[in-house]
Amino acid sequence: AQTVTQSQPEMSVQEAETVTLSCTYDTSESNYYLFWYKQPPSRQMILVIRQEAYKQQNATENRFSVNFQKAAKSFSLKISDSQLGDTAMYFCAFMGSGGTSYGKLTFGQGTILTVHP
Amino acid sequence: DAMVIQNPRYQVTQFGKPVTLSCSQTLNHNVMYWYQQKSSQAPKLLFHYYDKDFNNEADTPDNFQSRRPNTSFCFLDIRSPGLGDAAMYLCATSRGRGLSYEQYFGPGTRLTVT
Repeated sequence: AQTVTQSQPEMSVQEAETVTLSCTYDTSESNYYLFWYKQPPSRQMILVIRQEAYKQQNATENRFSVNFQKAAKSFSLKISDSQLGDTAMYFCAFMGSGGTSYGKLTFGQGTILTVHP
Repeated sequence: DAMVIQNPRYQVTQFGKPVTLSCSQTLNHNVMYWYQQKSSQAPKLLFHYYDKDFNNEADTPDNFQSRRPNTSFCFLDIRSPGLGDAAMYLCATSRGRGLSYEQYFGPGTRLTVT
């Protein structure tokens, strides 16, 4: 079974600064996707960024980028120029390509990020 | 805007009293998911529908059931809620089931059991 671990329950950052959220995972599959989801207080969870395991290039979406280290099974999220609206719970998630994990998201425990003015 | 809607946002029920949570979507997606998210924990998949095909997770208690009468609506029924069932219940949809299909989440229903 796949596991996703986020070792930072809470993080804080000053507005306009950069912050990195950590995520590690364990799987025996060779093809999979990794995701970062953002869940603002009392609002729905939205996809921030995703990475396909076969792509060596790290994904980037505006101020959000990932550092994908496949051999180390590490998938960190970097948020540049942090904004107050980035305050949220961030979940790292795994989706496998085969067996019981096909098409299903396995989430980490989440990291609460607070951006301070 | 196309979206995933969950009603009610907050639900209070009594111990053992059946409760139904509702999810609707305007995205015309084929797949609908139900997740349970307990306080400070990761969302956990309960089951999903691929069209009319129901897929239950192996560790989902029998107390939890689901219905999907049409493409747009999906319901979560808790037959006899216990105190341990208090949680946020998230509905999500995706166009297909596979690696390239993004899941779109609703705002969730927070269930309190008294």
